[in-house]
Amino acid sequence: DADVTQTPRNRITKTGKRIMLECSQTKGHDRMYWYRQDPGLGLRLIYYSFDVKDINKGEISDGYSVSRQAQAKFSLSLESAIPNQTALYFCATGGLTDTQYFGPGTRLTVL
Amino acid sequence: GQQVMQIPQYQHVQEGEDFTTYCNSSTTLSNIQWYKQRPGGHPVFLIQLVKSGEVKKQKRLTFQFGEAKKNSSLHITATQTTDVGTYFCAGRGGNNRKLIWGLGTSLAVNP
Repeated sequence: DADVTQTPRNRITKTGKRIMLECSQTKGHDRMYWYRQDPGLGLRLIYYSFDVKDINKGEISDGYSVSRQAQAKFSLSLESAIPNQTALYFCATGGLTDTQYFGPGTRLTVL
Repeated sequence: GQQVMQIPQYQHVQEGEDFTTYCNSSTTLSNIQWYKQRPGGHPVFLIQLVKSGEVKKQKRLTFQFGEAKKNSSLHITATQTTDVGTYFCAGRGGNNRKLIWGLGTSLAVNP
């Protein structure tokens, strides 16, 4: 969905490096989410935010942190990347109806 | 905690055959949603069901929400190669603030 953008789209990095993935949306939604997708494991929620001041851990938040800089921006950081964080990362936004709109994804490889 | 089980994990069909994926929750759901992810793409919202026993149709796709609001199904009639992808269900139960996702059903269609 062009209303949700993610940068970068692909990233290769080394173990121990700090990485930031960025997400921007123009849908005017208050709610934003970060998911991680691995083959066979579906979509796992890392962090979610219902408002700029309302940030919550998801089911797999260890090793990750987030920042909600504005209603439209939600960044995911890996403070010290490790190989098992190699995955496809999706940002999503949503309103009060629970429907979520996903960005195109960032493919991260940690060597 | 709330869990959503989705079966089957994989399905191969011949073009023209029907396909069904099932979603079962451990708790009563407020709503259930279905998403489709094409290979190499991101999840895209298909539909949301809210009412007990609700049935909705989108062309060849039929979505059902069980009477007890604990299960749902997606049925595709006469599959086409454009139906290839992974279908996810996601539901929110009770006071849970976030959606719980099934692991998805990957559909392959042989032409």
